[in-house]
Amino acid sequence: AAGVIQSPRHLIKEKRETATLKCYPIPRHDTVYWYQQGPGQDPQFLISFYEKMQSDKGSIPDRFSAQQFSDYHSELNMSSLELGDSALYFCASSRRNEKLFFGSGTQLSVL
Amino acid sequence: GESVGLHLPTLSVQEGDNSIINCAYSNSASDYFIWYKQESGKGPQFIIDIRSNMDKRQGQRVTVLLNKTVKHLSLQIAATQPGDSAVYFCAENMLAGNQFYFGTGTSLTVIP
Repeated sequence: AAGVIQSPRHLIKEKRETATLKCYPIPRHDTVYWYQQGPGQDPQFLISFYEKMQSDKGSIPDRFSAQQFSDYHSELNMSSLELGDSALYFCASSRRNEKLFFGSGTQLSVL
Repeated sequence: GESVGLHLPTLSVQEGDNSIINCAYSNSASDYFIWYKQESGKGPQFIIDIRSNMDKRQGQRVTVLLNKTVKHLSLQIAATQPGDSAVYFCAENMLAGNQFYFGTGTSLTVIP
């Protein structure tokens, strides 16, 4: 069965650079979520989209933005990167009000 | 965000024993709960879910119990196996919103 696909798997950036993470949800899933997970921490909800419209916002910094495109894939754009942005970034998708399926994540390292 | 937390950060059990992982949630309006298993470097993997109109739900070797009175959720794993070693998270959601909040994970170690 198709799963949530995230790219890239690993990303290394320097401070003040920008990064773009991509997510391809499971076909026919109408909701996409982004989470940030620091080492030894629980996943922190960043933002979600339902039918290509922003649905809910969590602890997403103003330096980050996200969107969902007509083909339902989503991108998380991160600017002015800081050392503290180093984390695993997960995308998840679901049908509305159903369980989330997670991708394998993007490991972002900011040097 | 909403507050979801676990009572025990670590749990060690002997292979073959039963495991119980607990979770407390603070938002009485939450009506959908999911347990996830996360192995190192991997994304959370769905284990079992339960909606607030139920008190108990069983899967293969796993049972989730929901006590809405005290806002408590538990995951029971029967006959724990070494492959069950992972971090377990509970997540809560209100059906009106597209946001699941995760609690602090419990690291389960199964001793062969």
